[in-house]
Amino acid sequence: AQKVTQAQTEISVVEKEDVTLDCVYETRDTTYYLFWYKQPPSGELVFLIRRNSFDEQNEISGRYSWNFQKSTSSFNFTITASQVVDSAVYFCALSDMDTGRRALTFGSGTRLQVQP
Amino acid sequence: SAVISQKPSRDICQRGTSLTIQCQVDSQVTMMFWYRQQPGQSLTLIATANQGSEATYESGFVIDKFPISRPNLTFSTLTVSNMSPEDSSIYLCSARDRENTEAFFGQGTRLTVV
Repeated sequence: AQKVTQAQTEISVVEKEDVTLDCVYETRDTTYYLFWYKQPPSGELVFLIRRNSFDEQNEISGRYSWNFQKSTSSFNFTITASQVVDSAVYFCALSDMDTGRRALTFGSGTRLQVQP
Repeated sequence: SAVISQKPSRDICQRGTSLTIQCQVDSQVTMMFWYRQQPGQSLTLIATANQGSEATYESGFVIDKFPISRPNLTFSTLTVSNMSPEDSSIYLCSARDRENTEAFFGQGTRLTVV
């Protein structure tokens, strides 16, 4: 069975601090996708990144970076120089491919509050 | 990318009534899904909407309570039947096309049952 764990329920930082959101996953599949989504107070889900299980290269997009470590089943997300607009709930999710299941399994989410 | 429109965006309903949520995708997609997000919680998959056949429900969700239709590759509906306050949630429609694309989400339907 798949499982995604986001152990940090809530994180509060001051603007311009760096912050890392942790994500640990469990799956028996060898082929899978990992995702990060942002959910601002308005409620919509904003897609941030998709990473497949064969690509362990870290990725950087502006102030955002992702560290995928298959050896520890982790896919952590770092925001550099955080801004108030980064305040939201962030979800990590997993999609298995071997079983044919295409729906996403979500972690419980991490609420990030960036104080001015 | 695909754009998903959900209607209504929010509603307040009386207990015992039913609400049908519509999900329209601007392109043909292989798979459509319905998720529920209870207040302060994560997203939980309700079912996979199958085109031309009955939806595939996850454990804890039944067709009588959440009937789903998917008449074609761009449209699906979810009905929340015989509502109770416990059904107050955000309901989200999602679509995936080819296997290596991201999963697109509608803006959600925020339902309050009183």
